[in-house]
Amino acid sequence: DTAVSQTPKYLVTQMGNDKSIKCEQNLGHDTMYWYKQDSKKFLKIMFSYNNKELIINETVPNRFSPKSPDKAHLNLHINSLELGDSAVYFCASSGPILPQFFGPGTRLTVL
Amino acid sequence: AQKVTQAQTEISVVEKEDVTLDCVYETRDTTYYLFWYKQPPSGELVFLIRRNSFDEQNEISGRYSWNFQKSTSSFNFTITASQVVDSAVYFCALSEPYNFNKFYFGSGTKLNVKP
Repeated sequence: DTAVSQTPKYLVTQMGNDKSIKCEQNLGHDTMYWYKQDSKKFLKIMFSYNNKELIINETVPNRFSPKSPDKAHLNLHINSLELGDSAVYFCASSGPILPQFFGPGTRLTVL
Repeated sequence: AQKVTQAQTEISVVEKEDVTLDCVYETRDTTYYLFWYKQPPSGELVFLIRRNSFDEQNEISGRYSWNFQKSTSSFNFTITASQVVDSAVYFCALSEPYNFNKFYFGSGTKLNVKP
C-alpha cells in the first residue's frame, strides 16, 4: 500500500564513507525528486528525474549522484560523506499538476 | 523568480484557539499551483491542499480553511479550534507546472498547540 517508500530510514556513518538511499513509488508517476531538509527544517530540492531523465539539478556537490533505473525508482548515492551532509533526505513523486507525495524520509547522520 | 515566504517562524496557541498561518508568494507565471503540507513531529510530509491560480474560492475542510487572494499573492491557512494534534511544522509551496512541477517551499511555520 505504501505510495513512496525509502530505505533505510536511518543511516549513521563515518566521514569519508560512501552510502546510498533507495526510493520507490507505486503511484505510476513520471517524475521523482530528492530533497534535503536541514536542521532548521528548510526543504531544498536537489534533483528531479522525469521518465529516467535528469531534469533538475540544483547546484548539488558532485559527490551526490542520483540514478533512476526506471521511472518507479530513484536512488541517491553519496560519496565521501561530510559532516554537513547530515540531514533528512526525502524522496517524492508527482504527475504534471499533481501534489508531490513524499516518502517517510531518511535521517542521515555523519560522524 | 519564484519565492514563497512564511514570515511566522513559530506560533504558540492554547487548545481551542483559532490560528492563521500566513503564506505570501511571488511568481511571474499566470498558471501555477499552491500547496500546504503538514510535517508532524514524526517527520513525514503530509499533503493538505492544492489550489490552482484560476480558482480563488476559499476552501474549508473540517477545522481547516484556506484563503487564496491573488491581489495580495497570499494563500493563508486557518485552523479553527486548534487541537494538540495540530502541532506540527506547516509548509506552503508554489509549483511551476510547466517545469516538471518543480516546487518552491517556504521555510515553514512551527505551530505549537498547548493543552
